[in-house]
Amino acid sequence: ETGVTQSPTHLIKTRGQQVTLRCSSQSGHNTVSWYQQALGQGPQFIFQYYREEENGRGNFPPRFSGLQFPNYSSELNVNALELDDSALYLCASSGSGSYNEQFFGPGTRLTVL
Amino acid sequence: SQQGEEDPQALSIQEGENATMNCSYKTSINNLQWYRQNSGRGLVHLILIRSNEREKHSGRLRVTLDTSKKSSSLLITASRAADTASYFCATDARETSGSRLTFGEGTQLTVNP
Repeated sequence: ETGVTQSPTHLIKTRGQQVTLRCSSQSGHNTVSWYQQALGQGPQFIFQYYREEENGRGNFPPRFSGLQFPNYSSELNVNALELDDSALYLCASSGSGSYNEQFFGPGTRLTVL
Repeated sequence: SQQGEEDPQALSIQEGENATMNCSYKTSINNLQWYRQNSGRGLVHLILIRSNEREKHSGRLRVTLDTSKKSSSLLITASRAADTASYFCATDARETSGSRLTFGEGTQLTVNP
């Protein structure tokens, strides 16, 4: 157990809808990163939040957005869902040091019909 | 986009044998990390090796890093059926704005009892 929790575990949505995924970081961690993992592939970096500010973004469209709260928990919001958004969404928390490992949560499995 | 490429894509061995997985990457890195994933669940951090390190051990795991060849290997000795999982390498090219992990496609390891 990493101490990183995500909710919900599974989610089914239809195309065009909006979804919010949640992540609680490990105690003492101020950085949260979000990744998308399509079936059979490695995770891809979506964005990172550090002390409530976006701190880097991968190659994802603006309909993927996020928030980080003062307690360092985080949300990932996806608008106008597309079929290709079906994936496992992983969040990872870390400290801000140069060699801090990232601790991953169990993920949210999103299915878009 | 994926930076790393794992080799082989799939590996099947008998319990007690050693398993070696390789990873190649394209750009300069700050560190390289290996993760394990069971059946589409969250990622478990195995080991982190810094760019100025050549070899690191943790229990039955041995990781090497060759920055001149931009490659790394993960050796699992005396494998067990419980080692069956997908293994991913991830590079961290941290610069000024915090880390982001770039994952390979993974190696699916099956250890037969």
